[in-house]
Amino acid sequence: DAGVTQSPTHLIKTRGQHVTLRCSPISGHKSVSWYQQVLGQGPQFIFQYYEKEERGRGNFPDRFSARQFPNYSSELNVNALLLGDSALYLCASSLVRSMNTEAFFGQGTRLTVV
Amino acid sequence: SQQGEEDPQALSIQEGENATMNCSYKTSINNLQWYRQNSGRGLVHLILIRSNEREKHSGRLRVTLDTSKKSSSLLITASRAADTASYFCATDEGSNYKLTFGKGTLLTVNP
Repeated sequence: DAGVTQSPTHLIKTRGQHVTLRCSPISGHKSVSWYQQVLGQGPQFIFQYYEKEERGRGNFPDRFSARQFPNYSSELNVNALLLGDSALYLCASSLVRSMNTEAFFGQGTRLTVV
Repeated sequence: SQQGEEDPQALSIQEGENATMNCSYKTSINNLQWYRQNSGRGLVHLILIRSNEREKHSGRLRVTLDTSKKSSSLLITASRAADTASYFCATDEGSNYKLTFGKGTLLTVNP
C-alpha cells in the first residue's frame, strides 16, 4: 500500500510568486495535515483538514490556504511568496481526526524562494 | 510556537552504546509521540505514549513519561549507525487537530 505522497519534491520560486503543493494521503485516511519545517527547527502546524473541511489552523498569515478534495487529497497554496517561506513542507495523514493516533508523513516538498 | 524542548540538541555516540534524549513540554497533554527524521526528509512515527501511561517499549526503544514534571525521555539501546537521524517529540497540547513539535535532537551514531 502506498504511503503519503507529496509533489513536487523540490521547487524553486521567486519572491512574489504563488505555489501549490500537493498531497495524497494513505488510502482510507480522511485527515490531512500540513506542517512547515524551517531548517534547524521542528515542524510547525499549518492546517488540518478532515472530511474536506478545515478543522484547525496554525499561526500562519492568510497567504497560506489549503483545501481537501472528495478523494481526500489536499493542496496547500501559498501566495505572494517571501524568502522566509523557504522550508520543507510536510503533509501528514491519519485515519481519524484526533491526535490520539500516529500520523504518517510524506517525504515533503522542499520549497526554495529566491 | 514550539511546545517541546528536546535535550540535548545534539548527541554523538559509538555504535552499541545507548542514547537517551529528553523532551519537556509546557501544557497538559493527552499523549506524547516521538518521531525520527532522516536527512531533512519525512518523519517516521516511532512510539506514542498516552498521558495515563508511564513507560512504553517498542523493540530497542523505551519511552517514559512523567506528567508531573511535564517531561519524557526516549532511550535507544544498542544503537546502530542507521539510527543516525533527528528525533522529535510531539504533543497534542490537549488539541484534537494538531501536533506541536520540539526542535529535535540530532543523534549521530559512529560506526
